[in-house]
Amino acid sequence: NAGVMQNPRHLVRRRGQEARLRCSPMKGHSHVYWYRQLPEEGLKFMVYLQKENIIDESGMPKERFSAEFPKEGPSILRIQQVVRGDSAAYFCASSLDLSYNSPLHFGNGTRLTVT
Amino acid sequence: DQQVKQNSPSLSVQEGRISILNCDYTNSMFDYFLWYKKYPAEGPTFLISISSIKDKNEDGRFTVFLNKSAKHLSLHIVPSQPGDSAVYFCAASGGYGGSQGNLIFGKGTKLSVKP
Repeated sequence: NAGVMQNPRHLVRRRGQEARLRCSPMKGHSHVYWYRQLPEEGLKFMVYLQKENIIDESGMPKERFSAEFPKEGPSILRIQQVVRGDSAAYFCASSLDLSYNSPLHFGNGTRLTVT
Repeated sequence: DQQVKQNSPSLSVQEGRISILNCDYTNSMFDYFLWYKKYPAEGPTFLISISSIKDKNEDGRFTVFLNKSAKHLSLHIVPSQPGDSAVYFCAASGGYGGSQGNLIFGKGTKLSVKP
């Protein structure tokens, strides 16, 4: 887990504020994924990005959520105008490629609390 | 509608005995299955995987069995150790148009291994 770095580990926001979650993939990995885990639930896929491109955003809510993975720097998951229902653990993962020999490696997550 | 189901929220096993964690799925198009282990406040850690063309994969103390006709897979841990105590997630991918990193997770089974 140490390979994928996420920060902050904990984030508290009031309703209506913006949340920015950052993820640095493992060295050499160019595929980044974001997942969300609600309490007592499994992880739910949100988005898959490669450098500068969104490949699959089928799990992203249509409004308020956006993600990017710029050429330089970490991947960012941005939640605008947060609501209480956004409170969850957000996990980033990375992989070397898309082969079955390249499983996803997850970071330790950012726990977002909306008050 | 859950496509990947882990019907046992928890399992308790004596140290040295076998732990069997079960997972059922509904989508016959899934072609790859994975097990992840998760400790509290950490991200999931990849454990073992199996392709749909196989019925068994073994790695040390961990063996995954796949029964395609029953749409069922299981993870066997032998012998179980106290350090195996964690939440185990079953995940599946492929066959539904999603990207390879778009994993469908079950809700997890909490394994407790007692000394």
